[in-house]
Amino acid sequence: AQSVTQLGSHVSVSEGALVLLRCNYSSSVPPYLFWYVQYPNQGLQLLLKYTSAATLVKGINGFEAEFKKSETSFHLTKPSAHMSDAAEYFCAVQKKNTGNQFYFGTGTSLTVIP
Amino acid sequence: KAGVTQTPRYLIKTRGQQVTLSCSPISGHRSVSWYQQTPGQGLQFLFEYFSETQRNKGNFPGRFSGRQFSNSRSEMNVSTLELGDSALYLCASSPGSNSGNTIYFGEGSWLTVV
Repeated sequence: AQSVTQLGSHVSVSEGALVLLRCNYSSSVPPYLFWYVQYPNQGLQLLLKYTSAATLVKGINGFEAEFKKSETSFHLTKPSAHMSDAAEYFCAVQKKNTGNQFYFGTGTSLTVIP
Repeated sequence: KAGVTQTPRYLIKTRGQQVTLSCSPISGHRSVSWYQQTPGQGLQFLFEYFSETQRNKGNFPGRFSGRQFSNSRSEMNVSTLELGDSALYLCASSPGSNSGNTIYFGEGSWLTVV
């Protein structure tokens, strides 16, 4: 079964500081990997996705993530946090050839301190 | 292009009742999937429909069912509601049912069971 682990359910950073949100997956075959963001009382919005092309993936709002097969990781980073980045972030995996069934991590709540 | 539309946005039901939630996908999208989001269990996959056929099903009891119409609109039904069914129900659509597709979420339907 697919499993996604997000380390740290709550992360706080100062405005302007580096954002690092961790995601590890467990799969013998590298799956497709996604990061979604959820703002209060809203649905999920795609930040970026990895589908076995370039290992460094750039997304919206200055976010990027690097796929590391050896570490089974897909950590999300942003060089400089903005107040507007405060939200819940979800890492998700999608096994190949299984349609649109996603397995989500438990989420990381990001707080940005002014 | 309009996004994924879910109705109703908020509803309160009594234990034992049933509920039907509706989802209109993005125009041209033929895959619709449903997720349940709760603070305790996070985001869990319910099922996916593609071209009116259920393609995948998550690990939920038979009280949870769904269907898709010829215009790709989808409904999900929960019968004999339990307190634990209180959750945000998210619908997501995608152009196809191939792995690697991005799924686009609606804002969700908040269900409270009392």
